[in-house]
Amino acid sequence: DSGVTQTPKHLITATGQRVTLRCSPRSGDLSVYWYQQSLDQGLQFLIHYYNGEERAKGNILERFSAQQFPDLHSELNLSSLELGDSALYFCASSFGLAGIRTDTQYFGPGTRLTVL
Amino acid sequence: KNEVEQSPQNLTAQEGEFITINCSYSVGISALHWLQQHPGGGIVSLFMLSSGKKKHGRLIATINIQEKHSSLHITASHPRDSAVYICAVSSTGNQFYFGTGTSLTVIP
Repeated sequence: DSGVTQTPKHLITATGQRVTLRCSPRSGDLSVYWYQQSLDQGLQFLIHYYNGEERAKGNILERFSAQQFPDLHSELNLSSLELGDSALYFCASSFGLAGIRTDTQYFGPGTRLTVL
Repeated sequence: KNEVEQSPQNLTAQEGEFITINCSYSVGISALHWLQQHPGGGIVSLFMLSSGKKKHGRLIATINIQEKHSSLHITASHPRDSAVYICAVSSTGNQFYFGTGTSLTVIP
């Protein structure tokens, strides 16, 4: 158990809908990272938040957004969902002083999103 | 163009064999990570290194910054090592790039 929690575990929805994925980092970790793992694209970095502020953006679509709240939990919002958005979405956390560059990350169990 | 290339894609070994997985990258990096993903999907960080060599139990990771290459070695492999091993790099541009993974099966 990494100490990172993600809810829900599974989510099934329809095209065009909007969903919110939630991540709670390990106690004391200030950084949260979001990743997407799909069959055709593999793992991709989406976005990094440190102590409530966006620090780095990867291949995140404009239809997706994220935020980190004062209690350090984070939410990833996916809107106007398409079939291709079906994937495993992981969040990870780290203590975060060095940010994405040199911190060991602890991964959550993932949320499996299926868009029908 | 893939910033991180891994080989082999698939690997089958007999229990007890010495295993090597290779990773090459094309971007400037702050650190290289080796991750393990089990069939249930969970991801565990095995190593993070920016130079030299690290060892945890039967696992050894090395990196050659000049050649932009890293290797993950598993000594005395065991069926419980069966998993997907993923190389990832933290770039100096604050990005995180993943290899496509090496699927390892260790047969008893």
